[in-house]
Amino acid sequence: QKEVEQNSGPLSVPEGAIASLNCTYSDRGSQSFFWYRQYSGKSPELIMSIYSNGDKEDGRFTAQLNKASQYVSLLIRDSQPSDSATYLCAVSNFGNEKLTFGTGTRLTIIP
Amino acid sequence: DGGITQSPKYLFRKEGQNVTLSCEQNLNHDAMYWYRQDPGQGLRLIYYSQIVNDFQKGDIAEGYSVSREKKESFPLTVTSAQKNPTAFYLCASSIVGDSHGQPQHFGDGTRLSIL
Repeated sequence: QKEVEQNSGPLSVPEGAIASLNCTYSDRGSQSFFWYRQYSGKSPELIMSIYSNGDKEDGRFTAQLNKASQYVSLLIRDSQPSDSATYLCAVSNFGNEKLTFGTGTRLTIIP
Repeated sequence: DGGITQSPKYLFRKEGQNVTLSCEQNLNHDAMYWYRQDPGQGLRLIYYSQIVNDFQKGDIAEGYSVSREKKESFPLTVTSAQKNPTAFYLCASSIVGDSHGQPQHFGDGTRLSIL
């Protein structure tokens, strides 16, 4: 069983719509959750961190965490073509700086 | 500007050759990491270090070696024992936090290919 699972996609969303990306994790001890964006051929870029249950908003991005159900999601409002990328979910445990990454969801925004 | 510098950007390895990938950071981060990414796949941890002169194996350490003689530097050597080295190699760093895991920040990566 994979520790961090993401739908590989591709996920196609019309420009201006909301893109919803999901991630589930198996370790109930997980405490820290991160979303990275990776453009083709480039390195991952941190876009959101979330540590507590609920929603965290930053501009057009909202991260949602539900520890009881062991999932974390990323919503992108008013999707733009520049949002087309692979989105990686990463999880770590308390006191452990190691991150476990999912395989990523490829998102395509259709103009 | 603070950041993580990886060099070279592209590297070619001949059969039986060891090659070393450089990673330097000026973020004053204690922890540094090396990942390997194959096409269409996620990141797999090779080695990590949370303090100078100490490092631990990750999930795929066989065929690789590292050193951490300075806080700023964490070079990765791909040895001839690594039979399938072609991949995108990413170096990352983070602070070591007290209360919860800290995000990692990445360099631009090195693409390694076999000649």
